[in-house]
Amino acid sequence: KAGVTQTPRYLIKTRGQQVTLSCSPISGHRSVSWYQQTPGQGLQFLFEYFSETQRNKGNFPGRFSGRQFSNSRSEMNVSTLELGDSALYLCASSFSGIDTQYFGPGTRLTVL
Amino acid sequence: GDSVTQMEGPVTLSEEAFLTINCTYTATGYPSLFWYVQYPGEGLQLLLKATKADDKGSNKGFEATYRKETTSFHLEKGSVQVSDSAVYFCALSVRVDTGNQFYFGTGTSLTVIP
Repeated sequence: KAGVTQTPRYLIKTRGQQVTLSCSPISGHRSVSWYQQTPGQGLQFLFEYFSETQRNKGNFPGRFSGRQFSNSRSEMNVSTLELGDSALYLCASSFSGIDTQYFGPGTRLTVL
Repeated sequence: GDSVTQMEGPVTLSEEAFLTINCTYTATGYPSLFWYVQYPGEGLQLLLKATKADDKGSNKGFEATYRKETTSFHLEKGSVQVSDSAVYFCALSVRVDTGNQFYFGTGTSLTVIP
């Protein structure tokens, strides 16, 4: 089985721009979660989607949003980028959201 | 609230040394516990897990036992190798109304020197 894939792997943006990150889960997995990883804050949960519905949400501002498509692929959007949004964004998939999460390689976002 | 606390790093060991990375948790109910490993430039990989008290997870020479009485899930390996150099994350998963919520520790960086 192919693993979780994330595109693009690297992004450089400037403040005020917006960005969209994509995640393709393992085939058959219906739950996709997104995390932000930074050296100072560690891994922080952004949100989880299951069957095209946001099921859980972390404590991030409304500039961070996401969606899930009928094939379980998910996108995450960040609007009005700030320098502090520079991070590694990780996507994880699981069959139902109540079992083991499998992570993608991440998208490294740099905001200048 | 639910949380995971793991020992601060970085940890530096010589090859073949014994490794312990401490992890304790706070959770309501009966969480599942995990150890993930992150190699440079990569995402997190599941190393091992345990879903109930007294379960022992093991993989690639690493072990951890789910201790409910001490709310701990310490990671151990008897003889580390240079290739074990990575960041290790302890995590827990708890049931919430809308599914499961995952919580991760801050990570412990391990460097093994030849």
